[in-house]
Amino acid sequence: AQRVTQPEKLLSVFKGAPVELKCNYSYSGSPELFWYVQYSRQRLQLLLRHISRESIKGFTADLNKGETSFHLKKPFAQEEDSAMYYCAPDISNFGNEKLTFGTGTRLTIIP
Amino acid sequence: KAGVTQTPRYLIKTRGQQVTLSCSPISGHRSVSWYQQTPGQGLQFLFEYFSETQRNKGNFPGRFSGRQFSNSRSEMNVSTLELGDSALYLCASSPKTSGELFFGEGSRLTVL
Repeated sequence: AQRVTQPEKLLSVFKGAPVELKCNYSYSGSPELFWYVQYSRQRLQLLLRHISRESIKGFTADLNKGETSFHLKKPFAQEEDSAMYYCAPDISNFGNEKLTFGTGTRLTIIP
Repeated sequence: KAGVTQTPRYLIKTRGQQVTLSCSPISGHRSVSWYQQTPGQGLQFLFEYFSETQRNKGNFPGRFSGRQFSNSRSEMNVSTLELGDSALYLCASSPKTSGELFFGEGSRLTVL
């Protein structure tokens, strides 16, 4: 069964509009959660992790344990935000595989 | 520090052949993980090695294998290649068995 769900494969947003990339997970316990980003022709890299509670490039992600969600949000989209975004819970401490990535959401910012 | 290095970057093989991909992790990182990336399936976990031991394995057939050397460098091998093995194979390293992964640029395999 799918354990990480990113329901939108493609998302287009106008520049300046708010962005929300959805992620739901179905694990018991409290995995550490990450968002990774892959810009065009660049390697996959960490965007942010929930335990740091930081805002990176204007993005934030709130862990909602009740809804088992970890949505990524940004109030005002910029053109350079166009990229592929992956949600990834770290369940290695549960005796399972390393980071399990969702299928990803391709975000396109429309100028 | 140098990043994760993967070789070769591109390769073309024919069905039935085998291939070996190499990954040099960031200095000091002892965990190396491998992922297969395809447009339809996204990122799928292949296996993870830590201190030369396979720690976890994903749901791939036995044609996919790997190993890690004492210097933490890792190789993965795919035998009897099939068309469906065409993908970008990503290697990632981390200093421990959990937490942030640092990815290489990948090895793009095309099977004809």
